[in-house]
Amino acid sequence: DAKTTQPNSMESNEEEPVHLPCNHSTISGTDYIHWYRQLPSQGPEYVIHGLTSNVNNRMASLAIAEDRKSSTLILHRATLRDAAVYYCILIYNFNKFYFGSGTKLNVKP
Amino acid sequence: NAGVTQTPKFQVLKTGQSMTLQCAQDMNHEYMSWYRQDPGMGLRLIHYSVGAGITDQGEVPNGYNVSRSTTEDFPLRLLSAAPSQTSVYFCASSYDRPATDTQYFGPGTRLTVL
Repeated sequence: DAKTTQPNSMESNEEEPVHLPCNHSTISGTDYIHWYRQLPSQGPEYVIHGLTSNVNNRMASLAIAEDRKSSTLILHRATLRDAAVYYCILIYNFNKFYFGSGTKLNVKP
Repeated sequence: NAGVTQTPKFQVLKTGQSMTLQCAQDMNHEYMSWYRQDPGMGLRLIHYSVGAGITDQGEVPNGYNVSRSTTEDFPLRLLSAAPSQTSVYFCASSYDRPATDTQYFGPGTRLTVL
């Protein structure tokens, strides 16, 4: 099963960009890369996903390496409300999510 | 829309007891899943369903049963609770397969087994 590796924690200043890295060297050609985040005592919340090309939405951008073995979630201007655990997830077999342990993002005012 | 709802929010069981965690969605989603989250860990898939009447096992299915008789509901049954099943349980749903669509998660059920 495809696995992901993320730093345990990262820190950012408010209103600055944040780059959250993820390694997934065993990714297969049909695995989609998803990012979800989880605030304390809440269920995970969708952020963004992609397959091969970079993706943008109102919340973030996703940069996928050309060999797809790594990706980076970019929050363009971090706010205090962005403090959460961010999960980089690979979807295998089209239906099965593999969640790693995630990166805890701390945003300083 | 209420989205994905889960009941109860909290539950304490004794070892050997059985119970059902309820999950419902009002978005007409075909795909539904159950996850458990242990302290400091990511989520692990227990069971999932791709439509009414169709279920399959995830990563950690032992000790749990599911059924999907309607599109809206996807209950998770603990057959004989064990302390190792102490965890937070999340239900999720999506319109299309999770690989290509957004999953919506419920608020979770915090279960303690004594």
